[in-house]
Amino acid sequence: GAVVSQHPSRVICKSGTSVKIECRSLDFQATTMFWYRQFPKKSLMLMATSNEGSKATYEQGVEKDKFLINHASLTLSTLTVTSAHPEDSSFYICSAKTGGFSYNSPLHFGNGTRLTVT
Amino acid sequence: AQTVTQSQPEMSVQEAETVTLSCTYDTSESDYYLFWYKQPPSRQMILVIRQEAYKQQNATENRFSVNFQKAAKSFSLKISDSQLGDAAMYFCAYRSENFNKFYFGSGTKLNVKP
Repeated sequence: GAVVSQHPSRVICKSGTSVKIECRSLDFQATTMFWYRQFPKKSLMLMATSNEGSKATYEQGVEKDKFLINHASLTLSTLTVTSAHPEDSSFYICSAKTGGFSYNSPLHFGNGTRLTVT
Repeated sequence: AQTVTQSQPEMSVQEAETVTLSCTYDTSESDYYLFWYKQPPSRQMILVIRQEAYKQQNATENRFSVNFQKAAKSFSLKISDSQLGDAAMYFCAYRSENFNKFYFGSGTKLNVKP
């Protein structure tokens, strides 16, 4: 159980275009999803917390106008990288927490999306 | 924001031996949750083990166990009888009771030698 599907797994786009990444919880409802960015051989950097039916909460230093997050349903959150530039090239990972108010519930991760901006 | 520190960028262990990965964290909270995640080359993050701060007993999951020292803010992971499939990046993570966020350490790359 607790499967998170992320799509696409790999995308190459041209500079200036926008890319949408989808994150779905397949067998559970996720009121909250998290978007992380991982640089090569580095840790996961929390970008934003996505809440169903409300605006996402962005971490300090993350441009909300560049990284648009939409959490329209209990099973789907999307991250759109707008006007992508080569420096946006990275590995993006979504995650969702099960268990509602069970505070020890872990995060379940998608397989990640490798974004390359040329 | 909470900080999680993993001081060992890379470690190696012989197959069937035991290895311990270190993790320390900084927090002013009394209640929180700690996790170890594994990230193999596939990049899929996999939960290894979890620990509630209010529990004194160390968590154990088969070959994986933790040494949780709350006063020292230390949360090490011990892998017994290491297997080739254990080779991966290991991330320590902290979750606040009050805030719905997970913070990750910088990771430790574990190599398992046959």
